[in-house]
Amino acid sequence: KQEVTQIPAALSVPEGENLVLNCSFTDSAIYNLQWFRQDPGKGLTSLLLIQSSQREQTSGRLNASLDKSSGRSTLYIAASQPGDSATYLCAVNQYSSASKIIFGSGTRLSIRP
Amino acid sequence: NAGVTQTPKFRILKIGQSMTLQCTQDMNHNYMYWYRQDPGMGLKLIYYSVGAGITDKGEVPNGYNVSRSTTEDFPLRLELAAPSQTSVYFCASSYSGTDGYTFGSGTRLTVV
Repeated sequence: KQEVTQIPAALSVPEGENLVLNCSFTDSAIYNLQWFRQDPGKGLTSLLLIQSSQREQTSGRLNASLDKSSGRSTLYIAASQPGDSATYLCAVNQYSSASKIIFGSGTRLSIRP
Repeated sequence: NAGVTQTPKFRILKIGQSMTLQCTQDMNHNYMYWYRQDPGMGLKLIYYSVGAGITDKGEVPNGYNVSRSTTEDFPLRLELAAPSQTSVYFCASSYSGTDGYTFGSGTRLTVV
């Protein structure tokens, strides 16, 4: 059974720092991995989607990497800003159940001004 | 371009009452999903559909029912509300199931 883990559950850093959020998964047979952002009381916004054949994807200050063989993905946020404060969730779409994705429990990020 | 629209945004139910959470998408996506999110937790799949007329159970289907009579709509039905169903419910859609997902803004349900 696929399990997706995000550690730490919460992270607080000062504004301007570069930071890395981690996501690990137990079954490497995946179609893709997606990173989402969730603001308090809001829905999920897709940030980056990495297909299994890709190593990384970039969007602005965000860079997501994927290492299927080790079952790991990272989300790198450069020059963090208070507006980046949110919960970040990763989700994997695996071969054995291509119709649905499995979520991690998220990392709650707080950027201190 | 509305994307995925969920109604209502908030609802309070009494134990034993019934209700339907509405979800509609205008992107001609084949796949649609219902998730619930409990405080501090990730999302758990309730039901999903790969096309009109086809539905299947996810991880936590007990106490819920769904139907998919059209490509656009995927309502979630709670027949006898219980306090354990207090949660935030999200609807999502995907074109092929292996591409990206688009989420609605959620329905916050409280059962008292």
